[in-house]
Parts: sequence; structure tokens; C-alpha cells
Amino acid sequence: GAVVSQHPSRVICKSGTSVKIECRSLDFQATTMFWYRQFPKQSLMLMATSNEGSKATYEQGVEKDKFLINHASLTLSTLTVTSAHPEDSSFYICSAGAVGKGNEQFFGPGTRLTVL
Amino acid sequence: ILNVEQSPQSLHVQEGDSTNFTCSFPSSNFYALHWYRWETAKSPEALFVMTLNGDEKKKGRISATLNTKEGYSYLYIKGSQPEDSATYLCAPSSYNTDKLIFGTGTRLQVFP
Repeated sequence: GAVVSQHPSRVICKSGTSVKIECRSLDFQATTMFWYRQFPKQSLMLMATSNEGSKATYEQGVEKDKFLINHASLTLSTLTVTSAHPEDSSFYICSAGAVGKGNEQFFGPGTRLTVL
Repeated sequence: ILNVEQSPQSLHVQEGDSTNFTCSFPSSNFYALHWYRWETAKSPEALFVMTLNGDEKKKGRISATLNTKEGYSYLYIKGSQPEDSATYLCAPSSYNTDKLIFGTGTRLQVFP
């Protein structure tokens, strides 16, 4: 139980294009989903927290117009990197909090984004 | 909670060796400490969630202890196996938030 999928696992795009990453909770309802970014040899950095049906809460320094988050249902959240640039190349990973599981988070496998 | 440190950054051990790593975190406003194991190309897997000072949890050959007053947790692996090779992450959380603040992890490699 508590499986989270993420799609795509790897994406390469041209500078200026937008990329959408999906995060799905497969066998539970996720009240909250979290989006993280990891730079090489660094820790997972929280970008934003999203709750179903409401606007995401972004961490300081994260541009909300750059990283659009939509949490349309209790099983799906999407992160769209708009007008991607090479500096947006990174590893993006989502996690989901389940009802009745306290503040435990279940992670997807991540998405490697490379912007050329 | 802003500063979470894990040590060592990496560790190479022989199969059968026991090992341990440390997670240090600010003790103020502490609520829970999470340990995750993250194997390459897989999702981080939750190992333990610990909340009480002095708590000790065990899962097979892996165990963890928690000291909330001084702000540290130890993760122990007894008789390491190659399949234990992974990055081990700790993440404390605070009251009134469900955010986790991750350390940089300890990368463990167990050689046969």
C-alpha cells in the first residue's frame, strides 16, 4: 500500500518549452502532496506544498509563476515547469501524505529534467 | 527546523560489518523524526517515524534511536548486506506543519 507514481521518469526538452510532471497516489487518497527538487550532492529541497482543491503554498525563493502546481484531485498533482531554462535542469520528486498516516510522506521515484 | 546534518556523507563497509550513522537537528519545536532509505532508481522508502525522546525502533537488522533533547538520532545496521546499499535520509518535522526538512543523507555501500 501507499504507492506513488511519477511520470515521466526522465525528460529532455529545449529551452523555452514547458514541461509537465505528474504525481499520482495509486492506492490511497493524498490529502497533501509535496514537490521537492534535488541538486547534485544536495538534500531534497521542498519547493511547495499542495492541498487538493486549493492553491499551493510555495517555499521562499520558489517562483510560483515558474513552477505551476495543480492538485485537481486527491490522487493527482502536477508540476509544470514553464519556459524551462538550463538552470531548471534538476531532479524533481513528489511525495504524498495519506489520510490517517500522520505526517508520514510516501515518495514517487522522481523525474530527471534536462533542459538543453 | 532549518539545519539538518547527517554524517558521515558516505560509508563503504564489507558485508557482515555493522555500521551506524548520525542525524543531527535543532531540538526546538521538534515533533517527529523520519528515516528513509533511498536506493538508486527507486522511491525513497520510509523506515521509521519516531517522536518520543529515548525511543528506539527496529526493523529487521536496522534500528534507530532518538534523543530529542540534544537533537540527534542514530541509525544502526547490524551485519550489513549488499542489498543495504542505499542513501539513508533523515528528516525532522515541527509542530503545526507537515513539512519535512531533509538532511543530505549518508550514502552506504556494502561490498560482498
